[in-house]
Amino acid sequence: QKEVEQDPGPLSVPEGAIVSLNCTYSNSAFQYFMWYRQYSRKGPELLMYTYSSGNKEDGRFTAQVDKSSKYISLFIRDSQPSDSATYLCAMINSGYSTLTFGKGTMLLVSP
Amino acid sequence: GAGVSQSPSNKVTEKGKDVELRCDPISGHTALYWYRQSLGQGLEFLIYFQGNSAPDKSGLPSDRFSAERTGGSVSTLTIQRTQQEDSAVYLCASSLERQGSGSPLHFGNGTRLTVT
Repeated sequence: QKEVEQDPGPLSVPEGAIVSLNCTYSNSAFQYFMWYRQYSRKGPELLMYTYSSGNKEDGRFTAQVDKSSKYISLFIRDSQPSDSATYLCAMINSGYSTLTFGKGTMLLVSP
Repeated sequence: GAGVSQSPSNKVTEKGKDVELRCDPISGHTALYWYRQSLGQGLEFLIYFQGNSAPDKSGLPSDRFSAERTGGSVSTLTIQRTQQEDSAVYLCASSLERQGSGSPLHFGNGTRLTVT
């Protein structure tokens, strides 16, 4: 079993849809959870950063962590064509130095 | 301020040649990471620097790969005797402190290496 599983997609939605992106993980020691967005031919950029369980909201984006289920989600409301990108989840235990990344989900939002 | 800068942005080299990839992290960031990204393979960790030392180089795929960091700033990743399977995007990232301390990671736009 891989440490972090993420559906590669592509996930195609119409503009304005609510998008749900997910990752599951096996290491119960993970405490910090991140979502990165990567546009084609660019480096990943940090979107959301959460510690432990719960929800965090930033504009149209909501990150959710369920440690009991080892499951994290990123919700995008009112999706826009400019949201078309690959979304990578990442996580780490406190005291460790290296993030564990999912392989990324490609999202396509059509006008 | 400036983000993480990598050069060159693209590099085409012949099999067997050596290449050097450069990373300028964000000023003041003590932690620096190199990753490799291949199509369909996700982000592969290569090496982590804290200051000028590399506490974790476990991801370097072979002894043809080496990296150094000088002055707690610029880092160079060197690949000797390049092979076609080395073709990938090499990403550098930096953070104020090591990951796992709550410090976010900032990436450069990568060097796209093609070995012919």
